[in-house]
Amino acid sequence: GIQVEQSPPDLILQEGANSTLRCNFSDSVNNLQWFHQNPWGQLINLFYIPSGTKQNGRLSATTVATERYSLLYISSSQTTDSGVYFCAVEGWDTGTASKLTFGTGTRLQVTL
Amino acid sequence: NAGVTQTPKFQVLKTGQSMTLQCAQDMNHNSMYWYRQDPGMGLRLIYYSASEGTTDKGEVPNGYNVSRLNKREFSLRLESAAPSQTSVYFCASSRLAGGFRGADTQYFGPGTRLTVL
Repeated sequence: GIQVEQSPPDLILQEGANSTLRCNFSDSVNNLQWFHQNPWGQLINLFYIPSGTKQNGRLSATTVATERYSLLYISSSQTTDSGVYFCAVEGWDTGTASKLTFGTGTRLQVTL
Repeated sequence: NAGVTQTPKFQVLKTGQSMTLQCAQDMNHNSMYWYRQDPGMGLRLIYYSASEGTTDKGEVPNGYNVSRLNKREFSLRLESAAPSQTSVYFCASSRLAGGFRGADTQYFGPGTRLTVL
């Protein structure tokens, strides 16, 4: 099956700093999503981005499908950005429905 | 519009006991999923339902059964719980039905934290 690697595994930032999270995947994908899991465990979908670039406020994401990676940018970080960020992909060899394979996540801590 | 709801939020079982985790969505979604999340790991797919009346195994189905009761509800059953099933369980749903690929965002419930002693 498809492999997903995220880096770095842990990141500590001071409030106001910028950061880049990376997701590498081992095969062609037709679906890539970024999720934020807050400290209370809730998973929130941030972006659906199998290719191209999207922006939502202080967050943006870019996927270069031909080179099999995706980047999540966080600008002017806030303490509410703390949590774990997951990249999840669906490869072309899956069958029905949208079966996502998750990476192990990047744990972000934003301090005052 | 509650989205995806899960009950219970917390549960402690003894080895060998059985229980059913309930999931419901009010977004009229066609596909539903059960995942488990273990410490330090991403989510792994247990079972999914690509449409009402169908269910299929995911990556880690052993020890679990599911029922797609209707379009709204998808339950996960542990027949004889084992300590290895201690985990946080997430239910998710997405709009498209089976056979469709691509742009299909998954929406997650709040999770059920299960401990098996």
